[in-house]
Amino acid sequence: DARVTQTPRHKVTEMGQEVTMRCQPILGHNTVFWYRQTMMQGLELLAYFRNRAPLDDSGMPKDRFSAEMPDATLATLKIQPSEPRDSAVYFCASGQGLNTEAFFGQGTRLTVV
Amino acid sequence: GENVEQHPSTLSVQEGDSAVIKCTYSDSASNYFPWYKQELGKRPQLIIDIRSNVGEKKDQRIAVTLNKTAKHFSLHITETQPEDSAVYFCAAIKDGKTSYDKVIFGPGTSLSVIP
Repeated sequence: DARVTQTPRHKVTEMGQEVTMRCQPILGHNTVFWYRQTMMQGLELLAYFRNRAPLDDSGMPKDRFSAEMPDATLATLKIQPSEPRDSAVYFCASGQGLNTEAFFGQGTRLTVV
Repeated sequence: GENVEQHPSTLSVQEGDSAVIKCTYSDSASNYFPWYKQELGKRPQLIIDIRSNVGEKKDQRIAVTLNKTAKHFSLHITETQPEDSAVYFCAAIKDGKTSYDKVIFGPGTSLSVIP
């Protein structure tokens, strides 16, 4: 049963610390997304990759967020320095293009205190 | 900028009744419209999708209709059951395989089915 795997599932950190979230997309999927979900903003697309190339990261605060795909089996989302307003659930999803089903991971619940 | 509106934000129905959720999008170049269901504490999962060259699609108790002229699409759930209770998100996606591609989600509808 192929799944998108995200680590860690939960993260509590102090303001100013670096946070790294990891995602293993489903093998064979060429599109990887990072979403942020909060009660106030709903589901926001932060960035996505096609064939490991970043295509759109306009939803991401560039001064503190960065997303990379070092290889086809790993996507990372980093926040440095973290702030309390970054507290949210971060979802990674993968698929075979934008216009097909996106399979979501279980999410990383981030709390910045 | 482009956006997706979704109504209603909350919806309560009696078990067995129908539920309808409507989304309106602004970018006429959007060509793919999925609906995701998210149960409490779980990940979003696709329940149905429709492409811009199709007007309606059905899957058992779930159907989606698309009106490209009016730029809106709707989710219809018939014979609702308590397990349909969840938050439903629509999305409007433009996939032109260019850097102008866009993925925009609606704000969600919390559906409660009362037994």
